[in-house]
Amino acid sequence: QVQLKESGPVLVQASETLSLTCTVSGFSLTNYGVIWVRQSPGKGLEWMGIIWGDGNTDYNSALKSRLSINRDTSKSQVFLKMNSLQTDDTAIYYCTRDQGGPFAYWGQGTLVTVSS
Amino acid sequence: DIQMTQSPSLLSASVGDRVTLSCKASQNIYKYLNWYQQKLGEAPKLLIYYTNSLQTGIPSRFSGSGSGTDYTLTISSLQPEDVATYFCQQYNSWWTFGGGTKLELK
Repeated sequence: QVQLKESGPVLVQASETLSLTCTVSGFSLTNYGVIWVRQSPGKGLEWMGIIWGDGNTDYNSALKSRLSINRDTSKSQVFLKMNSLQTDDTAIYYCTRDQGGPFAYWGQGTLVTVSS
Repeated sequence: DIQMTQSPSLLSASVGDRVTLSCKASQNIYKYLNWYQQKLGEAPKLLIYYTNSLQTGIPSRFSGSGSGTDYTLTISSLQPEDVATYFCQQYNSWWTFGGGTKLELK
C-alpha cells in the first residue's frame, strides 16, 4: 500500500538550514509527484513545493528563495532543504503524494521547532 | 494567489444534525476544490475531490457542492466520530488551503 514517512531533526536553530527526508513505498517516484506541505498555528496549511514524476520542481513563490527539493529514486526518497530558518518556520512538515490535484496520501508529519 | 476563506471558524452541532460548512475562493476556481478532515494529532484526510466526488472509503453522509467561488461541505447526519477540523483546498492554481472549520459536539 502507499505510504510516506517524514524524518529529520526535531529542533533547528534560527538562521540554520532544515533538512527533511520523505521515504515512500507502494509507488514509484517517477510516476507521481511528491509535495511538501507544512502546518503552523500562524499560517495554517501551506504547500511548499513539489517534485514531479519527471524530476522537475515547482515552489511556492513565498518560499522559493529559501527552498530546494530533490530526490533519490533508487532509495524512494525525496529531500527538502530550506535555509535561513526563522521562528515562524516552526511547523509540522508533511509530505504527500499528488493525485492530479487532491492529496490522497499523507505522511504522519514531523514537528520541527526553530529555536532562537 | 487565490485566497480561500472558510466559515464559520467554529461550529457546534448535535449528533444527527445536518451540518453545512462553507468555503469561498477569491476568484473562480472552476470546481477544483477538495475537502479534508483532520482529527487531533493526525494528518489531513481527503474526503471530497473536484467539488463533489467522494473519496473511496468515505461515508456517504459526506457530500460536496458548489461552483465558481462558493463551495459547501455537508454532513447529512452528524456522528460523534465527525468531530474534527475541516479544510477546503483549491487546486485551480497551485494549491491553497482555507483556514479551517472546527466542528464540535453541542
